[in-house]
Amino acid sequence: GESVGLHLPTLSVQEGDNSIINCAYSNSASDYFIWYKQESGKGPQFIIDIRSNMDKRQGQRVTVLLNKTVKHLSLQIAATQPGDSAVYFCAESDQTGANNLFFGTGTRLTVIP
Amino acid sequence: DAGVIQSPRHEVTEMGQEVTLRCKPISGHNSLFWYRQTMMRGLELLIYFNNNVPIDDSGMPEDRFSAKMPNASFSTLKIQPSEPRDSAVYFCASSLRRKEKLFFGSGTQLSVL
Repeated sequence: GESVGLHLPTLSVQEGDNSIINCAYSNSASDYFIWYKQESGKGPQFIIDIRSNMDKRQGQRVTVLLNKTVKHLSLQIAATQPGDSAVYFCAESDQTGANNLFFGTGTRLTVIP
Repeated sequence: DAGVIQSPRHEVTEMGQEVTLRCKPISGHNSLFWYRQTMMRGLELLIYFNNNVPIDDSGMPEDRFSAKMPNASFSTLKIQPSEPRDSAVYFCASSLRRKEKLFFGSGTQLSVL
């Protein structure tokens, strides 16, 4: 199947700065995207999702942007905090495929106090 | 809600032994997934159930792996016989419906010596 990949495997930011984590996908039929956060020793935790009929969605301190033209997804974290340090995964699925999510390889975000 | 519950949290066993991992999905969720996570391969879907019926087991590595879901509140993943290359973190996840976001358990850290 087609894969989801991340541009940057690691990202370090200063506490209080904004973080941007990027994700590229290749399946043009993908219509549902999710960002997960995984802290050490824990399972992936849902952050925010977006469907392909939208190009932006906001949550608490997080914003997901979807650019279907270039098949690009990003997660923006405002005022990054030490508790945001984790591995972030994007995942995608499409209506035509099996009922599962394809996960990217993940980006490790490190927040520097 | 307690979320997805997995047991045990850690399992250390010797090569050739049988290993059974357990999962209790979130009450009311119709879909259940087993994933394996390693540094080399990331998150891999092993098998998923919908309404207790296995739908896609194409990710199960080989015949040594088997999964069951005897009822809506319980699933097992069994490895017999186990091998060192099976060492990984195994996650169970559930979702309310197809194509919905997954909720993950805390995982089982399996070490096969």
